[in-house]
Amino acid sequence: AQSVAQPEDQVNVAEGNPLTVKCTYSVSGNPYLFWYVQYPNRGLQFLLKYITGDNLVKGSYGFEAEFNKSQTSFHLKKPSALVSDSALYFCAVRDQYNFNKFYFGSGTKLNVKP
Amino acid sequence: DTAVSQTPKYLVTQMGNDKSIKCEQNLGHDTMYWYKQDSKKFLKIMFSYNNKELIINETVPNRFSPKSPDKAHLNLHINSLELGDSAVYFCASSQERPGGTSGITDTQYFGPGTRLTVL
Repeated sequence: AQSVAQPEDQVNVAEGNPLTVKCTYSVSGNPYLFWYVQYPNRGLQFLLKYITGDNLVKGSYGFEAEFNKSQTSFHLKKPSALVSDSALYFCAVRDQYNFNKFYFGSGTKLNVKP
Repeated sequence: DTAVSQTPKYLVTQMGNDKSIKCEQNLGHDTMYWYKQDSKKFLKIMFSYNNKELIINETVPNRFSPKSPDKAHLNLHINSLELGDSAVYFCASSQERPGGTSGITDTQYFGPGTRLTVL
């Protein structure tokens, strides 16, 4: 069965330090992987996606994510965190056989402290 | 310009009432979705429509009925509201380009959400 796991409910980082938000997935066929960010009282905003090609994907606001097929992971990273990055981050996956169906992780709350 | 819009933003109502949430997208997308986000922020798909045709209907009570009058609109009607229906409901849209075995897929764009509170 398709699924997404975000093992950390919360990640705390000091401003200026690198951040990682973890995501692992399970799908049949090739995975299509996405990261979204949700600010308080707002809808989800697209950050980046992996469909095919280079394993390192660059997205909005300086974020990037690395697709690792052997570890079935798609961790979100940023070299230097900003306080304004504090938000809820969702990893999502869909497989090549179910175009209309996204599976979202449970979300990880990122807290960046000054 | 708003890409995906929902109305109302907040909805407070009594148990047993019937209510509707409207969603419109001006992106020219052919697929629209409804998601429910519970109090723990868990996000779950409810429905998906492609070109006005129902594609996905997850295990959602029959009290929830989506209606798509055209490709740009997907409304959600809820009958006999219950306390457990309290949540934030998000509409989303995407342009699907099924590529056969290659499976080309595109990004979903979300509306701002409708916070439903059932008293």
